[in-house]
Amino acid sequence: ILNVEQSPQSLHVQEGDSTNFTCSFPSSNFYALHWYRWETAKSPEALFVMTLNGDEKKKGRISATLNTKEGYSYLYIKGSQPEDSATYLCARIRSNTGKLIFGQGTTLQVKP
Amino acid sequence: DAGVIQSPRHEVTEMGQEVTLRCKPISGHDYLFWYRQTMMRGLELLIYFNNNVPIDDSGMPEDRFSAKMPNASFSTLKIQPSEPRDSAVYFCASSAGQGTTDTQYFGPGTRLTVL
Repeated sequence: ILNVEQSPQSLHVQEGDSTNFTCSFPSSNFYALHWYRWETAKSPEALFVMTLNGDEKKKGRISATLNTKEGYSYLYIKGSQPEDSATYLCARIRSNTGKLIFGQGTTLQVKP
Repeated sequence: DAGVIQSPRHEVTEMGQEVTLRCKPISGHDYLFWYRQTMMRGLELLIYFNNNVPIDDSGMPEDRFSAKMPNASFSTLKIQPSEPRDSAVYFCASSAGQGTTDTQYFGPGTRLTVL
């Protein structure tokens, strides 16, 4: 994997469903992975910054895990709510410059 | 703090015209980033500054694009002449540091349409 890849591209779930999506990235020269939440007509907001293999972060109903050896991160949302509808972006840090390389995002739509 | 401020929020112009996008970073942040969001390429970094100095402009698409940061509280991204393929949402972001864990805070974006 040369760049950051996210799957699925879009997801539609019912309110109350739990869901998860994937971010894949090059496992070599790993520095950090950032997750952002981007609501329509707003700006991306930082969710998590993850650095260590096996790292797990949690914010309310949203959590993320990191596997740097195989190059992937999962984002989980437990009991999805309509307000969770957004595009979730992950980005890897390119070297130690702080430059973020973003994936295309996963767009989540939660139906009431 | 008001966060990162961008203006205008929307810009519609005709091909060939000059376009200037503006950004005010969060006070105290030493790093400023310009991104472009398109359906085809997603969110891509154009250029970033550290202490008002351009550090990496390798993402700037071509000579029609230029960016300046005359002081710590203001940056511009200029497109001259503009073309329809420049239509996109342009984001400015700032961060306190350039470390691998430093969060970038994004502005609301400028939606540019070039007719």
